[in-house]
Amino acid sequence: ELKVEQNPLFLSMQEGKNYTIYCNYSTTSDRLYWYRQDPGKSLESLFVLLSNGAVKQEGRLMASLDTKARLSTLHITAAVHDLSATYFCAVEPMKTSYDKVIFGPGTSLSVIP
Amino acid sequence: NAGVTQTPKFQVLKTGQSMTLQCAQDMNHEYMSWYRQDPGMGLRLIHYSVGAGITDQGEVPNGYNVSRSTTEDFPLRLLSAAPSQTSVYFCASNRGTAGSEAFFGQGTRLTVV
Repeated sequence: ELKVEQNPLFLSMQEGKNYTIYCNYSTTSDRLYWYRQDPGKSLESLFVLLSNGAVKQEGRLMASLDTKARLSTLHITAAVHDLSATYFCAVEPMKTSYDKVIFGPGTSLSVIP
Repeated sequence: NAGVTQTPKFQVLKTGQSMTLQCAQDMNHEYMSWYRQDPGMGLRLIHYSVGAGITDQGEVPNGYNVSRSTTEDFPLRLLSAAPSQTSVYFCASNRGTAGSEAFFGQGTRLTVV
């Protein structure tokens, strides 16, 4: 059974600082997604990572995937308040077509001045 | 461009009542799914569909029914509501091909008293 873990679950960081959120998963996969959820809102897609060594960047966020370690990271550079949100990783099992994507528990990020 | 539309946004039910949560998408996506979101547990998959006429169970299917008579619509039925079904429900759709990101509806906040 695929399990997805994230750490930390809660993160309070100062503006301007750097930090990394980790996503570990328990079974072979090379398809991993990162989503953002603002309080009381829906989820929106941030990154889609589809191969070992994949790296995607958007603004102050950079995501990477190491399929051998079954690990993805979401790195935050010089945090700003607008990045305060909950971040979810989601893993798709290795199949030929989309199947039961499993979400991690989420990391609640608070960026404080 | 509506994307994924869920109704209602809020609902209060009494224990034992039934109701249907509606979900419609206008992106011609093959794959649709229902998740519930509970604090600290991320999103858990209830049911999903890989095309019209085809549905399958996710992680937490008990107490819920679905059907998919058209590509656009994927309603979720609560047969006899229980307090344990108090949650936020999200409908999502994607192209159904491996590695395709999901698009989420705005969510339904359901309270069962």
